[in-house]
Amino acid sequence: NAGVTQTPKFRILKIGQSMTLQCTQDMNHNYMYWYRQDPGMGLKLIYYSVGAGITDKGEVPNGYNVSRSTTEDFPLRLELAAPSQTSVYFCASSPWGSGAPSYNEQFFGPGTRLTVL
Amino acid sequence: GENVEQHPSTLSVQEGDSAVIKCTYSDSASNYFPWYKQELGKGPQLIIDIRSNVGEKKDQRIAVTLNKTAKHFSLHITETQPEDSAVYFCAASINAGNMLTFGGGTRLMVKP
Repeated sequence: NAGVTQTPKFRILKIGQSMTLQCTQDMNHNYMYWYRQDPGMGLKLIYYSVGAGITDKGEVPNGYNVSRSTTEDFPLRLELAAPSQTSVYFCASSPWGSGAPSYNEQFFGPGTRLTVL
Repeated sequence: GENVEQHPSTLSVQEGDSAVIKCTYSDSASNYFPWYKQELGKGPQLIIDIRSNVGEKKDQRIAVTLNKTAKHFSLHITETQPEDSAVYFCAASINAGNMLTFGGGTRLMVKP
């Protein structure tokens, strides 16, 4: 299993540009999450999904959109990038609700470092 | 909503010493408390967790304790090794891990 993969690894955007951060998991997890991690800070939840076709806002959703058309993919869209969106973005998935022994565990991807100038 | 405070923000210890990281949470309904380790350039990885019906859990050199009355929980690492150097995050959840609120992180440095 590759686990959770994210692309790209790094990206520099100009103010006002848009981009999509890709996230794919091959563990057949229903639950997926997007977090942002600002320097020296903890992770804050942007959006999450409990299954294909179902998404909901987290703590800091403004300026972002998500979709979940398949179990495997959970892309994060940034519209009109702003310097405040400079951060490291992590995607995670979880077997929550599956009945698996470690259902609580979230599995994280390697992150995308985004700079908005 | 839930608020998680984590201390200290940085911790430097000598190899072989113990390290303790403390977290407090605000929502008494929280029932699941994981600890994640983040190595440089990687995503966080779960190292240990504890549920609200347990006061202590141990896994080799790491242990976690939970005091529900005081709403705080701690990570204990004994016999620290250089490979323990990383950023550690605590988190709390009111729904058994589906939604996590993270603390601000502790950068642990183990000096050889």
